[in-house]
Amino acid sequence: GAVVSQHPSWVICKSGTSVKIECRSLDFQATTMFWYRQFPKQSLMLMATSNEGSKATYEQGVEKDKFLINHASLTLSTLTVTSAHPEDSSFYICSPLAGGQETQYFGPGTRLLVL
Amino acid sequence: QQQVKQSPQSLIVQKGGISIINCAYENTAFDYFPWYQQFPGKGPALLIAIRPDVSEKKEGRFTISFNKSAKQFSLHIMDSQPGDSATYFCAARVSGSARQLTFGSGTQLTVLP
Repeated sequence: GAVVSQHPSWVICKSGTSVKIECRSLDFQATTMFWYRQFPKQSLMLMATSNEGSKATYEQGVEKDKFLINHASLTLSTLTVTSAHPEDSSFYICSPLAGGQETQYFGPGTRLLVL
Repeated sequence: QQQVKQSPQSLIVQKGGISIINCAYENTAFDYFPWYQQFPGKGPALLIAIRPDVSEKKEGRFTISFNKSAKQFSLHIMDSQPGDSATYFCAARVSGSARQLTFGSGTQLTVLP
């Protein structure tokens, strides 16, 4: 399968600070990037979809000013959680997708804990 | 109409037994149905996927059965092993510009040694 990396794998931060999560597709060019959030014992919830070079499309209920997504290249996307609060503590997973690619791969996830 | 309903929520199976997880969908535009396996603290990994033009697909111990008329599909794990203990998600997708997956709620499988 495709190789997808996320960094960091886990992060602890204080309330009010910002955290940046990187997602890289190492062996294919991702024209589309999906960002998911997963709370304990729950399913994956799509937060936003971004196409390379375009602004991200956010799902209902996801604040675009709080979760900043940058997809400036075909191999790198970043999710920045701004002014993080304890309720933002979650498991964040990226999923890059190449044009015409059927199989959707997922990154290993980033565990965020906001104190 | 975008929902995918998954059952059971949890499943306990003896080693060597058959694990069966079911999913149902409403949106007839769905045309790609993958199953993912997720271990704690890891991202989901694709197990097996099917398109609606076939009724069954088998890869090793994993089989997807697909019933287009009933709008249901299921995952069968034969000869279940303790290493199969994980959370399993079904998903569905409509081909097209969005191509986003709609996930089921997940099934936590425990295989007893």
